[in-house]
Amino acid sequence: SQKIEQNSEALNIQEGKTATLTCNYTNYSPAYLQWYRQDPGRGPVFLLLIRENEKEKRKERLKVTFDTTLKQSLFHITASQPADSATYLCAPKGGSQGNLIFGKGTKLSVKP
Amino acid sequence: DVKVTQSSRYLVKRTGEKVFLECVQDMDHENMFWYRQDPGLGLRLIYFSYDVKMKEKGDIPEGYSVSREKKERFSLILESASTNQTSMYLCASIETGAGNEKLFFGSGTQLSVL
Repeated sequence: SQKIEQNSEALNIQEGKTATLTCNYTNYSPAYLQWYRQDPGRGPVFLLLIRENEKEKRKERLKVTFDTTLKQSLFHITASQPADSATYLCAPKGGSQGNLIFGKGTKLSVKP
Repeated sequence: DVKVTQSSRYLVKRTGEKVFLECVQDMDHENMFWYRQDPGLGLRLIYFSYDVKMKEKGDIPEGYSVSREKKERFSLILESASTNQTSMYLCASIETGAGNEKLFFGSGTQLSVL
């Protein structure tokens, strides 16, 4: 069955450093993959979409890579700030009816 | 900005009650979704709808039903609430076009079934 794994439940880093979050998927090949941010008590908010034919995508301090050979996406936040503290969800397109499948998320804490 | 509005942020219900969770979106999106989110389990799809009066089961439809009488409104119904349905419920609609699909979520309803 299709499986999504976000390797770390929690990641703690110092302000100013680069945060790197990992998303691995197995048993299928998604046409694209999305990343969402979720703050406590709120719904997820869309950040980025990367397609299978794109190696890398950037948006301001965010960078996403997509390696279809490794079946992995990396999500980077450069020059991290305490305001970046949140849970980040990866969501490859897939599923039996082509819906997004969400990972369980990685909770990022950026300490000042 | 797209807005997805869920009628309640917090709900407390008794076991066996019929529960209605309402969701309204203002962007004329055709597809709408209901998820539940539990610690350690992540977001799981309950039902979705791609048109008025159309519905499809997601990964965990048991114990739930849905209603989509109007394009902007998608309701989740717990026919007889049970304690294992205590969860955060999230509604979403999806923007499509030019191959760019992205979900817009409501703020969620934290449901407690006692």
